[in-house]
Amino acid sequence: KNQVEQSPQSLIILEGKNCTLQCNYTVSPFSNLRWYKQDTGRGPVSLTIMTFSENTKSNGRYTATLDADTKQSSLHITASQLSDSASYICVVSAFDQFYFGTGTSLTVIP
Amino acid sequence: NAGVTQTPKFQVLKTGQSMTLQCAQDMNHEYMSWYRQDPGMGLRLIHYSVGAGITDQGEVPNGYNVSRSTTEDFPLRLLSAAPSQTSVYFCASSYSTPQLNQPQHFGDGTRLSIL
Repeated sequence: KNQVEQSPQSLIILEGKNCTLQCNYTVSPFSNLRWYKQDTGRGPVSLTIMTFSENTKSNGRYTATLDADTKQSSLHITASQLSDSASYICVVSAFDQFYFGTGTSLTVIP
Repeated sequence: NAGVTQTPKFQVLKTGQSMTLQCAQDMNHEYMSWYRQDPGMGLRLIHYSVGAGITDQGEVPNGYNVSRSTTEDFPLRLLSAAPSQTSVYFCASSYSTPQLNQPQHFGDGTRLSIL
């Protein structure tokens, strides 16, 4: 069964600290893996898209990694800001459908 | 550039009523889809379309109908609303199908409550 699992479910960190979110998937055939940021009351916004051959991709303070062999991905946030408080969703594409994780809720406190 | 526009933003219905959730995009995207988002669950695909005149069912299609008469519009119709359809509904579009590396753009959602 195609599944995407994210951990932790929620996370609280101090402003300025770094954090790493995890994503494990069993989706096949694999096309690409995406990370989205969803602010409260808004739709998800794309952060990164990674293909099978890409190990690392950055978007400002966000860096995503992909290990296609172990079917794991991570999203590293550097020097967190209050505006990083959001839900982060891992999405894996297979042919004609997207498979969504349940997200990690990140809260950055002053 | 409006992106993906969903209307209404909020709606309250009574059980058995019908309504249409509107979705429009101005990016000339071929691939459009409807999702519902419930607490503790990932977004679940209701219906999708790979182009005008072509629609297909997703993971949770029961109780919903769609049509795609133009590239820009992809309305979602609730046939006879049930309390289990209380959810936040998102419309999304992308230039091409998921296996290609094009970003998916989401609207800001319609928050629907069924009493």
